Amino acid sequence: EAGVVQSPRYKIIEKKQPVAFWCNPISGHNTLYWYRQNLGQGPELLIRYENEEAVDDSQLPKDRFSAERLKGVDSTLKIQPAELGDSAVYLCASSLGQNPLVYEQYFGPGTRLTVT
Amino acid sequence: DQQVKQNSPSLSVQEGRISILNCDYTNSMFDYFLWYKKYPAEGPTFLISISSIKDKNEDGRFTVFLNKSAKHLSLHIVPSQPGDSAVYFCAASDNAGNMLTFGGGTRLMVKP
Repeated sequence: EAGVVQSPRYKIIEKKQPVAFWCNPISGHNTLYWYRQNLGQGPELLIRYENEEAVDDSQLPKDRFSAERLKGVDSTLKIQPAELGDSAVYLCASSLGQNPLVYEQYFGPGTRLTVT
Repeated sequence: DQQVKQNSPSLSVQEGRISILNCDYTNSMFDYFLWYKKYPAEGPTFLISISSIKDKNEDGRFTVFLNKSAKHLSLHIVPSQPGDSAVYFCAASDNAGNMLTFGGGTRLMVKP
């Protein structure tokens, strides 16, 4: 069974440029998460989808970040414009359901973003 | 305000010995705790979990202990193997299954 797929794996951009990350979850997983992991820290949730609906986006900086999961399968996270502080690893995860007490979250390898 | 803290950024252990990774939390609403393991260039993978109704959960070489009064949990790996070398994250959730809150991770190095 294929795991969570993310692309690109690495991205280097100049500040003020836009950038987009793509995630394809495990087949059949209704819940999709985007996390940001800063250097030396643990992952922090940005947004959680249940099918195509964003059920928790309270941690998403909405002035510059946006996300979509139009058909309830793959998802795109966008930053426009990027700032130096956005340099981090962006992780996508998926699970069969949204309760982490019941459903294990499976993580992709992440996209390492460097903003110069 | 870090609600989940892993105060040791790194730990070095000899192969065959016990590795003990510690985690502290501040939110008394946390009811469920998980440990994830992360290799370089890979995403975290689930390792073991424990509910607050228990004080110990064991799975093979891995045991997690929970001291709810001290708001402290620990992961014991025995015997440690070189393949256990990775970054270990502690995570916590409330009993409603809301978002996971992760600690900053501890890098474990097991020397042959």
